[in-house]
Amino acid sequence: NAGVMQNPRHLVRRRGQEARLRCSPMKGHSHVYWYRQLPEEGLKFMVYLQKENIIDESGMPKERFSAEFPKEGPSILRIQQVVRGDSAAYFCASSPPGLAGAEDTQYFGPGTRLTVL
Amino acid sequence: AQSVSQHNHHVILSEAASLELGCNYSYGGTVNLFWYVQYPGQHLQLLLKYFSGDPLVKGIKGFEAEFIKSKFSFNLRKPSVQWSDTAEYFCAVKISYSWGKLQFGAGTQVVVTP
Repeated sequence: NAGVMQNPRHLVRRRGQEARLRCSPMKGHSHVYWYRQLPEEGLKFMVYLQKENIIDESGMPKERFSAEFPKEGPSILRIQQVVRGDSAAYFCASSPPGLAGAEDTQYFGPGTRLTVL
Repeated sequence: AQSVSQHNHHVILSEAASLELGCNYSYGGTVNLFWYVQYPGQHLQLLLKYFSGDPLVKGIKGFEAEFIKSKFSFNLRKPSVQWSDTAEYFCAVKISYSWGKLQFGAGTQVVVTP
């Protein structure tokens, strides 16, 4: 019963390159969330997706960041033209399908630690 | 906008001491409340959660938390800590009857000395 999988676990990029972070939700889960953790801070919500739909992207920076959760395959968080300030840990979480108000709990992956040189 | 405050950023205590971590939130409506723990080098794990019912919630590893609605608080407690409880602890809040984002506190780093 695999948990939430994220890869890579560590990613190093130079300024201006692209970073692609992958998240495979737990089996049977159709809701995916991305969070960012900056040093000395708590997790900040970025985006919430269901299959092929972005439900809430209120936490996403307006430029350079995008996310998708295709019908097949993992969810991808994409950061274009990375800058040093993008260095952080990026966590993915998933929760099962169901009605809003059900006792849905988010289960977290191990995170991807992005370092921008 | 809702916010979550954790009062202590760092706590150091000895084994067998009691632990209480404060968490307050600002939101007037119904909320779901969570405590997550992040052990060194590991991902976030759910300690306990409150959705409804008994405001005293028991979680894993001997932790419990009490929801006090009038104080907008959800404090975490453990009567007797162990060295293995060294970790960072995060309080999180979600608006009830909605999907979506968790609002996290800044976290409390707990160090338990032998």
